[in-house]
Amino acid sequence: EVQLVESGGGLVKPGGSLRVSCIGSGFTFSDAWMGWIRQAPGKGLEWVGRIKSRAHGGTTEYAAPVKGRFTISRDDSKDTLFLQMDSLKTEDTALYFCITEFYGYNFNYWGQGTRVTVSS
Amino acid sequence: DIQMTQSPSSLFASVGDRVIITCRASQTISNYLNWYQHKPGKAPKFLIHTASSVQSGVPSRFSGGGSGTDFILTISNLQPEDFATYYCQQSYSAPPTFGQGTKLEIK
Repeated sequence: EVQLVESGGGLVKPGGSLRVSCIGSGFTFSDAWMGWIRQAPGKGLEWVGRIKSRAHGGTTEYAAPVKGRFTISRDDSKDTLFLQMDSLKTEDTALYFCITEFYGYNFNYWGQGTRVTVSS
Repeated sequence: DIQMTQSPSSLFASVGDRVIITCRASQTISNYLNWYQHKPGKAPKFLIHTASSVQSGVPSRFSGGGSGTDFILTISNLQPEDFATYYCQQSYSAPPTFGQGTKLEIK
């Protein structure tokens, strides 16, 4: 059974940084394209970004609102995905979901999310 | 970015009903349309990809259709576990974008 478990969410001040993690199990993590999707309170789903597998270059892509501030990385030896969030803004407050992706922007497995609150 | 618009935003129905949720894209996306189910506190679930391909393990009462700009999700014979929020999402071009969601509630 595929499982994605996020951790590391919390309260951070505007301008601060936070790193959230996601551990995957039940699949070959190193082969998977991984990513993050978020949901602000009372809002819909918003794609944050993705990282391809090392076999596909390990390249990253980001949504415009987070580009230059967020960094996605992976440690395949630990089956772990990371989201480093810098220069956080109040509008980054959201539940952050870890996802697996197949065949281009099809999100087949999701975690339950980790909550990030940016507030002074 | 491609805008995705779902209707209705909320829907009240009874167990056993058939419901249809629509999704419209701001430009043609061929059949690159996915549907997800989300219950509070749970991981969202991938239901349908490429407009009409139902994922393995998803009950047959779920079906999808459409192409171009207009798509539908049909749930036949509603069951208690189907009451949730449903999202469409285009995978045609970056960035992938979602509809605002349709909350399906018990009448």
